[in-house]
Parts: sequence; C-alpha cells; structure tokens
Amino acid sequence: DIQMTQSPFSLSASVGDRVTITCRASQSIRNHLNWYQQKPGKAPEVLISAASNLQYGVPSRFSGSGSGTDFSLTITSLQPEDFATYYCQQSYDVPYTFGQGSKLEIK
Amino acid sequence: EVQLVESGGALVQPGGSLRLSCAASGFTLTNYYMHWVRQAPGKGLEWVSRIKGDGGSINYADSVKGRFTVSRDNAKNTLYLRMNTLRVEDTAVYYCARDPDFGGYSDFDFWGQGTLVTVSS
Repeated sequence: DIQMTQSPFSLSASVGDRVTITCRASQSIRNHLNWYQQKPGKAPEVLISAASNLQYGVPSRFSGSGSGTDFSLTITSLQPEDFATYYCQQSYDVPYTFGQGSKLEIK
Repeated sequence: EVQLVESGGALVQPGGSLRLSCAASGFTLTNYYMHWVRQAPGKGLEWVSRIKGDGGSINYADSVKGRFTVSRDNAKNTLYLRMNTLRVEDTAVYYCARDPDFGGYSDFDFWGQGTLVTVSS
C-alpha cells in the first residue's frame, strides 16, 4: 500500500496568514493527489484534484502543487471559514490512502 | 442536484452484521465509481471499498476484505455495504462518495452525510 505522510499534524495561524501543508507519498504517484477539507461533524469536501486542479467553487486562495512523491497545499490570506482539518489522498492505486490529517486552528 | 444519503448505521455487538445503504439522486450510479470511506471517532479518514460503475471491478481495504461486501441496486440507484463479523475497531462514521474518474483521475466529488456504526458489547 502507498503510505501518505502529512505535516504538520497541527498548526495555528491568524486570519490573513499564509500557510502551507505538505504531503509525501511512499512511492511516486505522479500527480494523482487530492486535497480535502473537513469541518467538525461534516463530510470532507474536495478542494484540489490531480495535485493542482482547483475544484469548481473553491476560492482561489487555495492552491496545490507537486508531483511524484512531494506535494503541498497552500492557503493564502486565511479566512475564518478555512479553520478545519485538511487531508491529502492518493488516487494512483487502490487502496486510495489518506494522510493522517492536518488540523488548522486559529491562533 | 446531486445527493447521497446514507442510512443503516446502528449499535451492534461484536461478531454481528449490518447493511448500510447509500441512496443516490441527481445522477446514475452506473456512470460512476462509488466508494465507502470511514472515520473512527476523533481519527482520520480510511478508504474502505470501491465499485466500478459497470460493477466489473470491486476493491476492498485489507482491514475489511472477506468481511465486507459492496453491492448496488441499479433500479433503486442505491449503493450498499454489507458488513459481517463486525469488530470493535469497525466503529466509525461511514461515508459513501462519488468518483467521476474523469480522464483517469479519481477524486471524491460528492459525499453523503455519513452514518454511525458502533460495535460494542
């Protein structure tokens, strides 16, 4: 199975800050990497697919990059609604493994 | 409007069985891959199973292989997850999710609200 390792596990930031979350795959997954946002008590929502494709309706302050084994999610100018948990997921091969999650909290 | 509505979650004893349902509307199940994903209380997301639109390919996580079975009723446009020999560690919120598999790329673009399965004596 492909292992996905996210960092940091948790981070605190202020409204208006820029933050970056990284995700590393245990083997090359080309660009088959998705990012999800999950708020407490809610289902996850896809933000970015294929490493860098912003989903329809997702604000442009979210961006993704990377290929092979190293990926990142960047949020510029944090808004109050962005405080949530973020997961990366590889969709290169089943089982479609997720990272352990990165919890973004308000400082 | 695309909607996925799960049901069937319950409290069940270890060794018991349960069937979860995921009723789809606004699209046809046979045109998409569909997945089950679970989340144990306070934990991260774990992929469970996948069924191809034409039913020709089914995959399971090792943790549930041989105990869980994914199926679909095309007439009802409903996805199912039959769970047998349940263990305490199967306790989780179970989500169904749609995967358009567009251009060979998979992502889960719509999710249900989840249904809670609790395995406890």
